[in-house]
Amino acid sequence: QKEVEQDPGPLSVPEGAIVSLNCTYSNSAFQYFMWYRQYSRKGPELLMYTYSSGNKEDGRFTAQVDKSSKYISLFIRDSQPSDSATYLCAMSDNYGQNFVFGPGTRLSVLP
Amino acid sequence: KAGVTQTPRYLIKTRGQQVTLSCSPISGHRSVSWYQQTPGQGLQFLFEYFSETQRNKGNFPGRFSGRQFSNSRSEMNVSTLELGDSALYLCASSLDISTDTQYFGPGTRLTVL
Repeated sequence: QKEVEQDPGPLSVPEGAIVSLNCTYSNSAFQYFMWYRQYSRKGPELLMYTYSSGNKEDGRFTAQVDKSSKYISLFIRDSQPSDSATYLCAMSDNYGQNFVFGPGTRLSVLP
Repeated sequence: KAGVTQTPRYLIKTRGQQVTLSCSPISGHRSVSWYQQTPGQGLQFLFEYFSETQRNKGNFPGRFSGRQFSNSRSEMNVSTLELGDSALYLCASSLDISTDTQYFGPGTRLTVL
């Protein structure tokens, strides 16, 4: 079993839809959870950064962490064609000894 | 504030050669991490440097090495290149240790022929 699992997609949605992206993980030591967006031929760009369980909202983006289920989610409201990219989840433990990325989900928002 | 810069952006090498990639972190950032990204394996951690010391190392062969200079700039070196080393090499900088927010550079696209 991989340490972090993420549906690779591709996921295609119409413009304006609510998008749900998810990752599951196996290491209970993970405390920091991040979502990155990566456009084609670019480096990943940090979208959301959360510590431990709970929700965090930033504009159209909401990140949720459920440590009891080892499950994290990123929701995108009112999705736009400019949101078309690969979304990577990442997580690490308290000591920075284990920083792991998910394989990424490719999202296409169709106008 | 300038972002993370990586040079060169594109590189073509042949098997057996060696290559050196450079990364300049965001000003004031002391931690630099390197990642290899391929379609099949995704983003894989290579190593992290903090204050000129390698702090963490991923599961890569000894052909992959790196260093960090006193100004926090970092280089990674790959010797005896193999076809499978073709990938996007990404550098990320953070203020402190790797649990701090990481900011990625645009990457160096290495093609090994």
